[in-house]
Amino acid sequence: DTAVSQTPKYLVTQMGNDKSIKCEQNLGHDTMYWYKQDSKKFLKIMFSYNNKELIINETVPNRFSPKSPDKAHLNLHINSLELGDSAVYFCASSLQGIHNSPLHFGNGTRLTVT
Amino acid sequence: QQPVQSPQAVILREGEDAVINCSSSKALYSVHWYRQKHGEAPVFLMILLKGGEQKGHDKISASFNEKKQQSSLYLTASQLSYSGTYFCGTPSNSNSGYALNFGKGTSLLVTP
Repeated sequence: DTAVSQTPKYLVTQMGNDKSIKCEQNLGHDTMYWYKQDSKKFLKIMFSYNNKELIINETVPNRFSPKSPDKAHLNLHINSLELGDSAVYFCASSLQGIHNSPLHFGNGTRLTVT
Repeated sequence: QQPVQSPQAVILREGEDAVINCSSSKALYSVHWYRQKHGEAPVFLMILLKGGEQKGHDKISASFNEKKQQSSLYLTASQLSYSGTYFCGTPSNSNSGYALNFGKGTSLLVTP
């Protein structure tokens, strides 16, 4: 029933480790996104995919690598985790771009790097 | 470039009204509004597409002034359930429909 689902909900790991976050949407949307929300609640776009194609890649360290095996899935792999990567990561989707269709967010993955 | 929201925080008593503003230094094609409750995901409220467009959602409405490159969210007769952080979002550029830049948010607390 869940429209945009992310796993895991919580991720606690040590510096230097590699981790992945998975996202799936069952809304039939064409566009998917990764946002990072820091401790001050600032929501920053990281990546945007449209029909499995990378459209937006903001200034994100290349330790972060998104992968979209199909248009319903957008995963995020993070290598060599750093303390500053601690944040809540939200996956989102929209029907076609964002000009006239809302973003539907997943419930977020709280990543804590120790 | 992210839009600028004001005020940063508002505290209201139930039944009072509030206005949250969102402005951009660039021409705006559309404006989104979202609300996020503590520990939850942002939830869509409304999109405004045309200059001067006003939309309403229960007792929450919004206006969009394209010329002034700003939008305002109006919360009327606030309820306890309105508490949360409100974000406006604008496309990263007028041609790009694939990224929404959010303001830093306005924290709203409604007290009994």
